[in-house]
Amino acid sequence: GAVVSQHPSWVICKSGTSVKIECRSLDFQATTMFWYRQFPKQSLMLMATSNEGSKATYEQGVEKDKFLINHASLTLSTLTVTSAHPEDSSFYICSASPVPYEQYFGPGTRLTVT
Amino acid sequence: RKEVEQDPGPFNVPEGATVAFNCTYSNSASQSFFWYRQDCRKEPKLLMSVYSSGNEDGRFTAQLNRASQYISLLIRDSKLSDSATYLCVVNFRDSGYALNFGKGTSLLVTP
Repeated sequence: GAVVSQHPSWVICKSGTSVKIECRSLDFQATTMFWYRQFPKQSLMLMATSNEGSKATYEQGVEKDKFLINHASLTLSTLTVTSAHPEDSSFYICSASPVPYEQYFGPGTRLTVT
Repeated sequence: RKEVEQDPGPFNVPEGATVAFNCTYSNSASQSFFWYRQDCRKEPKLLMSVYSSGNEDGRFTAQLNRASQYISLLIRDSKLSDSATYLCVVNFRDSGYALNFGKGTSLLVTP
C-alpha cells in the first residue's frame, strides 16, 4: 500500500517552454502533498506544500508564478514549471501524506532544460 | 535558521562492519525525527522513525538526544545492499507537517 506515482519520470524540454508534472496517490487519499527539488549532491529542498482545494504554500525563495501547483483532488497534484530555463533542471519529487507526519514519495521526475 | 546537518561522508566500510551516522538539528522545537534511505537517482524511502527512548529494527538502531539536538543511526553487520545515502529528516513544529532533510551521508559497503 501507500504508492505514489509521478509522471513523467523524465523530460527534456527547450528553454522557454512549460512542463507539467503529475503526482498521484494510487491507493490512498492525501489531503496534503509536498513538492521537493533536489540538485546533484544536495538535499531535498521543500518547494511548496499543496493542500487539496486551497492554494499552495510556497517556501521562501520559490517563485509561485513560475512553479504553479494545483491540487484539484485528494489523489492528484500537479506542478507546472513555466518558462523553464536550464537552471530549473533538477530532480523533482512529490510526496503524499495520508496522515500527519507520514509521507510517501513518488519516484521523481528528472527535468532537463536545454 | 532551520537546519539539519550531517557528515556527508563517504563512509567506506567492509561487509560485516558496524557504522554510525550522526545528525544535528538547529530547531529545538522539533517533534518528529526520521532516517530515510536514498539510492542513486531514486526517491527517498523511510528507513525508520526515531523515538526519544531509542529504537531498533533488526540491524539498525536509532537514538535521539533532544537536549543535545542530536540523532544517530547505527548499522550493524553491514551488507553490500546497505550502500546508499542516508538522510536525517526532522519535522520542525513551526513547519506544519513538512519535513526538513539533511544533505545525507553516503555509505559504501565493500566486499
